Amino acid sequence: GAVVSQHPSRVICKSGTSVKIECRSLDFQATTMFWYRQFPKQSLMLMATSNEGSKATYEQGVEKDKFLINHASLTLSTLTVTSAHPEDSSFYICSARDFRGLIETQYFGPGTRLLVL
Amino acid sequence: AQSVTQPDIHITVSEGASLELRCNYSYGATPYLFWYVQSPGQGLQLLLKYFSGDTLVQGIKGFEAEFKRSQSSFNLRKPSVHWSDAAEYFCAVAPPGGYNKLIFGAGTRLAVHP
Repeated sequence: GAVVSQHPSRVICKSGTSVKIECRSLDFQATTMFWYRQFPKQSLMLMATSNEGSKATYEQGVEKDKFLINHASLTLSTLTVTSAHPEDSSFYICSARDFRGLIETQYFGPGTRLLVL
Repeated sequence: AQSVTQPDIHITVSEGASLELRCNYSYGATPYLFWYVQSPGQGLQLLLKYFSGDTLVQGIKGFEAEFKRSQSSFNLRKPSVHWSDAAEYFCAVAPPGGYNKLIFGAGTRLAVHP
């Protein structure tokens, strides 16, 4: 299957700093990527839909000025957590839509664990 | 409101035993249905999906799932569990016609005893 990578896999930062997480589709072009957040022992919650060349669509309750999304190319979307605080500590997972087959498929990245001290 | 319910938070089975993980959904129409597996610290891997047609769906790693419209259920099954199947399993739904918004259940954590 298709591969989606995320970088970094783990990041620790100080409160008040910004952190950028990259999501790449390695062997296919993804016009749409999704960003999810997962708290410990909980399910994934969709944060936003990232569309190549246009603004991201955020889910209700997600602060777009805090979680900046850029989808500048067909293989890369970035999530920047601005002025991070301890409550932003979480597991962030991206996914990418693959339209190459007869049926659309969505592939997930391995996730990025963010710890804000 | 659209929702996915996985009634079992945690399940423990012996290696070689059969497994069934339950999933019920609440949706206006028959959605697209998925099962994903997540190993510790990892992303999600698609096990199988149902869009239409045959209600018994075969997936990877020996898993299958059966869609029952009358019960709004999409239970995941495996006849013989292996120790490597220990992981978190998520049921998810999406609007018919696309992946625009995947709605996940809370997950079921599977432990396998030797």
